[in-house]
Amino acid sequence: DGGITQSPKYLFRKEGQNVTLSCEQNLNHDAMYWYRQDPGQGLRLIYYSQIVNDFQKGDIAEGYSVSREKKESFPLTVTSAQKNPTAFYLCASNPYAPSGRATGELFFGEGSRLTVL
Amino acid sequence: AQKVTQAQTEISVVEKEDVTLDCVYETRDTTYYLFWYKQPPSGELVFLIRRNSFDEQNEISGRYSWNFQKSTSSFNFTITASQVVDSAVYFCALRGSARQLTFGSGTQLTVLP
Repeated sequence: DGGITQSPKYLFRKEGQNVTLSCEQNLNHDAMYWYRQDPGQGLRLIYYSQIVNDFQKGDIAEGYSVSREKKESFPLTVTSAQKNPTAFYLCASNPYAPSGRATGELFFGEGSRLTVL
Repeated sequence: AQKVTQAQTEISVVEKEDVTLDCVYETRDTTYYLFWYKQPPSGELVFLIRRNSFDEQNEISGRYSWNFQKSTSSFNFTITASQVVDSAVYFCALRGSARQLTFGSGTQLTVLP
């Protein structure tokens, strides 16, 4: 089945450690996104990528890094510089219309919950 | 800048009641898209509807209906005859000239049996 797979579903990290969250999609979508969700704050955009080997900072990129070496993969690294990393992380993708404009609808993975001990 | 406001943080209803979730947005773009997503306890956001700024027709899909009013910058979502399975967090979102969605803070809906 086509979709977005995020792993791991749950992750525990000690302070000072970097962790990488995986996001893989087999939908052949051009654009991929990482969002962070905190209680009562909705979703905030961390990074996004519109094509391979290119990505842009979102609203809260500090303390995070990404790569986009393959169209289907967009891993997110939460570095030790991220002051408050405990959160629920959601990966999403969407296709572009032939005109180059995004169609708008995002497809989401099931999320990864990171807890810093 | 664009903004989406969902003033209702939590709503509880008894099964079979109707419930309306409010969404108010702000944007300077003349062309934009509005969305509703559902987030069940499993965590994955499920797309419900997309509406563009030029289409103010209300839409009905089964027990779901949406009321888009540009004059009040609102895109409200009504569930008729609610069911326990409707319990979830519901997000309203806006995409303007930028290629990113701006989400509201979400409304937690609890439907009691």
